[in-house]
Amino acid sequence: SYELTQPLSVSVALGQTARITCGGNNIGSKNVHWYQQKPGQAPVLVIYSNTNRPSGIPERFSGSNSGNTATLTISRAQAGDEADFYCQVWDSSVYVFGTGTKVTVL
Amino acid sequence: EVQLVESEGGLIQPGGSLRLSCAASGFTVSSNYMSWVRQAPGKGLEWVSVIHSGGTTFYADSVKGRFAISRDNSKNTLYLQMNSLRVEDTAVYHCARGVPAAYAFDIWGQGTMVTVSS
Repeated sequence: SYELTQPLSVSVALGQTARITCGGNNIGSKNVHWYQQKPGQAPVLVIYSNTNRPSGIPERFSGSNSGNTATLTISRAQAGDEADFYCQVWDSSVYVFGTGTKVTVL
Repeated sequence: EVQLVESEGGLIQPGGSLRLSCAASGFTVSSNYMSWVRQAPGKGLEWVSVIHSGGTTFYADSVKGRFAISRDNSKNTLYLQMNSLRVEDTAVYHCARGVPAAYAFDIWGQGTMVTVSS
């Protein structure tokens, strides 16, 4: 079965840029989606199909995908961006989530 | 307003059964693909099952043969019938709506806690 690997945690200084990676075999050939989940809340879709932002998601969130790594970039990080982030793909009729990354804003 | 509201979960003994429901408003369940996603306490997201607009269903290996997803078009509601429950099925269960042609989930319910314990 397909697996997605994320770093356990990422720290970023207030106002700086955070990059969260999502590794998978030839993930560049797949569409990658990203979710933000704050404690006690449902996940929120922040990037779909590698680079697209749903309505209401700030431009500070962007995505890229190539080779064996997809990346979610959070520019000008704010305290409110602290959350768990998950990548997700669809593979052989099943949906696969990454292991999750906790983002801390210092 | 577009939203999903799950029914109350509960405490179930191992081997027991429970049916979750997810009432949709603001859109039509049968016109979208709908999924259940769960999250064990302190753990990450785990996809459980999906039903496509045409009625085709798929399941994670961990629940195949024990869980069944369905929908009632007249009630605009999604269901998850969970049988032969195990301790490892303990989790918050979310229903979610699929983004057309993207295989992502754009609308999520708040989730309902299911605890399997003796």
